Amino acid sequence: RKEVEQDPGPFNVPEGATVAFNCTYSNSASQSFFWYRQDCRKEPKLLMSVYSSGNEDGRFTAQLNRASQYISLLIRDSKLSDSATYLCVSAREGGSYIPTFGRGTSLIVHP
Amino acid sequence: EAQVTQNPRYLITVTGKKLTVTCSQNMNHEYMSWYRQDPGLGLRQIYYSMNVEVTDKGDVPEGYKVSRKEKRNFPLILESPSPNQTSLYFCATRTMSSYEQYFGPGTRLTVT
Repeated sequence: RKEVEQDPGPFNVPEGATVAFNCTYSNSASQSFFWYRQDCRKEPKLLMSVYSSGNEDGRFTAQLNRASQYISLLIRDSKLSDSATYLCVSAREGGSYIPTFGRGTSLIVHP
Repeated sequence: EAQVTQNPRYLITVTGKKLTVTCSQNMNHEYMSWYRQDPGLGLRQIYYSMNVEVTDKGDVPEGYKVSRKEKRNFPLILESPSPNQTSLYFCATRTMSSYEQYFGPGTRLTVT
């Protein structure tokens, strides 16, 4: 079983829709969590960190559920420009930092 | 402008011909790492370095070497490339006080 699991999608949604992605992680020692965005054939870019209390950045909201070992990303009022692959990342903190990336969830926002 | 650069961006080579992919950053970050990204497998870490002369293996180090002689540079060396190393490679950096990573633009390598 892969350490970080994501539904690959694609999620096909109209502009203005609200869409949510979940990501589960298997290592209970994971302490840091992130969502990255990756456009086709480009480098991943940090979208947001995920804090225990949940956090919001504009139209994006991230949540962490440690008991069930999953993180979520909610995108409100989807824009065409939100079309991308969203990567979930978990990591154990400490000297030997090897983050584990999910395979990504593809989002397509159409007019 | 803060950036991570990689060269070359695209490379087609033949089996067994040694190659080096360079990575350079101007952000004074201590931590640098290399990833490969393959369809259906996601990003996997190859090697990482926490500072000059300090390197360690990631999840998939076989067939690769790295060096960290200067803080800003972290080259990835394939001594004898094989077709299964055909992939998209990313260099990434971060500070030691944060786990947020900054990625280079990627190097698409094809080994025939």
